Amino acid sequence: EVQLVESGGGLVKPGGSLRLSCEASGFTFSYAWMSWVRQAPGKGLEWVGRIKSTTDGGATDFAAPVKGRFTISRDDSKNTLFLQMDSLKAEDTALYYCTTGPATVPRGIWGQGTLVTVSS
Amino acid sequence: DIQMTQSPVSLSASVGDRITITCRASQGISNYLAWYQQKPGKVPKLLMYAASTLLSGVPSRFSGSGSGTEFALTISSLQPEDVATYYCQTYSSAPRTFGQGTKVEIK
Repeated sequence: EVQLVESGGGLVKPGGSLRLSCEASGFTFSYAWMSWVRQAPGKGLEWVGRIKSTTDGGATDFAAPVKGRFTISRDDSKNTLFLQMDSLKAEDTALYYCTTGPATVPRGIWGQGTLVTVSS
Repeated sequence: DIQMTQSPVSLSASVGDRITITCRASQGISNYLAWYQQKPGKVPKLLMYAASTLLSGVPSRFSGSGSGTEFALTISSLQPEDVATYYCQTYSSAPRTFGQGTKVEIK
C-alpha cells in the first residue's frame, strides 16, 4: 500500500525547534520529489517547501515565510523525509503534511498530517 | 513568485447544477496546474494535474481546462458528496503556490 506517515509534531515555545519525519512505503521513495504543505487552523493550504530526488540533485526550495528557518532533508535508505524547523513562531502553528505532489509518481499521496503548536 | 487567485471564494448551488471555479496565475504557467478537493476534517485529495488530467477514480463530472494564466474546474452536475473546499496549485516552479480555496456548499 502506498503510504506516507508523518510524526514529530507537538507543542513548542516560540524560538524553539522541532523536527518532523515522514516515512514512505509502497513506492520508490528515492525517485520522488517530496513536499511539505501546512494548514493553519481554519485556513487554507500553504506550500512550505520541496526537495528534489537525490538523483535529480536533492535541491530544496522554500516558501518565503519559512526560508532561512526551515530545512528539508531526506534519507533514502530509510525512505524518510525530514522537516527541521528552527526559530519557530506562533504563525507556524499548523497541521503539517508531507506529499508527493502532482508531478511525482505516485501522484497526490498525502500523509495524515502532524500538528505543530507554537505557544508559550 | 507566482500568485494564484481563485474565484469565487465560496459558492452555494443546488444538486444537479453545473458549477465552475476559476484560478488565475499572475504569470504564465503553461499547464502546470493541479486541483485538489478537501472535505471538512479530511486530507486534501488530488483531483487532477496538468490542468485537465483526472486521476484514476475521480468522477467524470469533474473536468479541468485552461492554459497559461487562466484555468477552470467544472463540476457538471453537483452532488452532495462534492461539498468541500477546492484548491488550485501551480507546480511550474517553486514556490508551488496554492490558491486561497473555494468553498462549495449545497443550497
